[in-house]
Formats: sequence, C-alpha cells, structure tokens
Amino acid sequence: QKEVEQDPGPLSVPEGAIVSLNCTYSNSAFQYFMWYRQYSRKGPELLMYTYSSGNKEDGRFTAQVDKSSKYISLFIRDSQPSDSATYLCAMSEGRSGAGSYQLTFGKGTKLSVIP
Amino acid sequence: DVKVTQSSRYLVKRTGEKVFLECVQDMDHENMFWYRQDPGLGLRLIYFSYDVKMKEKGDIPEGYSVSREKKERFSLILESASTNQTSMYLCASSSSGPGGEQYFGPGTRLTVT
Repeated sequence: QKEVEQDPGPLSVPEGAIVSLNCTYSNSAFQYFMWYRQYSRKGPELLMYTYSSGNKEDGRFTAQVDKSSKYISLFIRDSQPSDSATYLCAMSEGRSGAGSYQLTFGKGTKLSVIP
Repeated sequence: DVKVTQSSRYLVKRTGEKVFLECVQDMDHENMFWYRQDPGLGLRLIYFSYDVKMKEKGDIPEGYSVSREKKERFSLILESASTNQTSMYLCASSSSGPGGEQYFGPGTRLTVT
C-alpha cells in the first residue's frame, strides 16, 4: 500500500467553481501537511502548510486535515483559470533537531479551470 | 522569500557525457534535496544532504552522485549520462525546523540523446 494516495485527475471545472482536492495516507505518524502548486514546466511552490488536525484558510484556499481518517483536503473557492496547475500534497513526521527528514509526496492532481 | 536557483532550465547532453547540475539556496537552510520528476511516477528522491559534506541516498541513487562543499550549494552529478536519465530535475531546500517544508527551484529539464 502506497503511503500517500492522490487521484491524478485530470480534474476540469468551470471558472468560479469550488474545487476539492484530496489525499489519503497510511502513516499515522505524519503530523505536518503541505500543499504545493506546480505550473507546467516549473518547480513546485509551497501553497499551504498545516500542523496536526483542523482547518487553515488563506484567501481563496482552505487546507483541511482529518488525522482520525488520515485524509487531507485543499479547497479552492471561486476558482480562476490561473489556478490551472498540478497540486501535490506532502507530509512529514516532523522530526526536529539536527539531521535530515524527508517529505512524502502524493503524485499530484492536474486541475484545469475553464473560462 | 526563499530563493532556490538551478544552473540551467534546459540541458541537452549526449549519452556517456558527465553532467553537472548545480543548485544554490540563499536562506541558510541546512537540508538540500535532489529529485527527479517523471510523468506518472511523481517526485522521486535521488539524494539529500543535511550538512556540508554530508549526503544520504534517496530512493533512486543509482547512476548519480552529489557534492556539497558549501552550505548554500548542492550539486548533482550524472557520471555517464544515459537516455533513461532524461527527466525534470528539481532541487529543494529546507530548514531544520519541525515541519520540514521544502522550497523548490525552477527545475532543469535534461534531455539525453
């Protein structure tokens, strides 16, 4: 079983729609959750960062974490054509101090917002 | 803002050539990473480094090596490029804070012919 599952899409929505992007995971030790946005032929850009369960809102974007269900979501309100990109979820166990730690990424969902 | 830069956006090399990809970050981050990204396979970690002169193998280190002589710079080396190394290469950095969020460079699209 893969550690992080993410529907690859593609997902196509009309401009102004509410978009819901989701990831499920199996490792209950994950504590930090991230969403990245990647435009075509560019590097991923950190969009949202949350710790533990709950919601975090930033403008039109809301990140939601449900640790009991091992499920995270990214909601985009009033979607715009400029939101067309691939969205990757990522998570970590959050080891602190010296030493390295890695992120576990989903494979990404490709979103197209049609004008 | 964190800035991660990569030496080339596009690179075309011949089979058997030695290839150097350079990455520089300006945020004094301890950790640096090299990934490759291929359609349907997602991001795959090649190597990472948590300190100067330190390196750790990721999931797919075969055919690659790395060098970190200065904190801000992390180089990926393809000793003898092969066509199956044609890919998008992404460098990232992170601090040693608890969350481990990574900041990515723009990527290098490498084609090996």
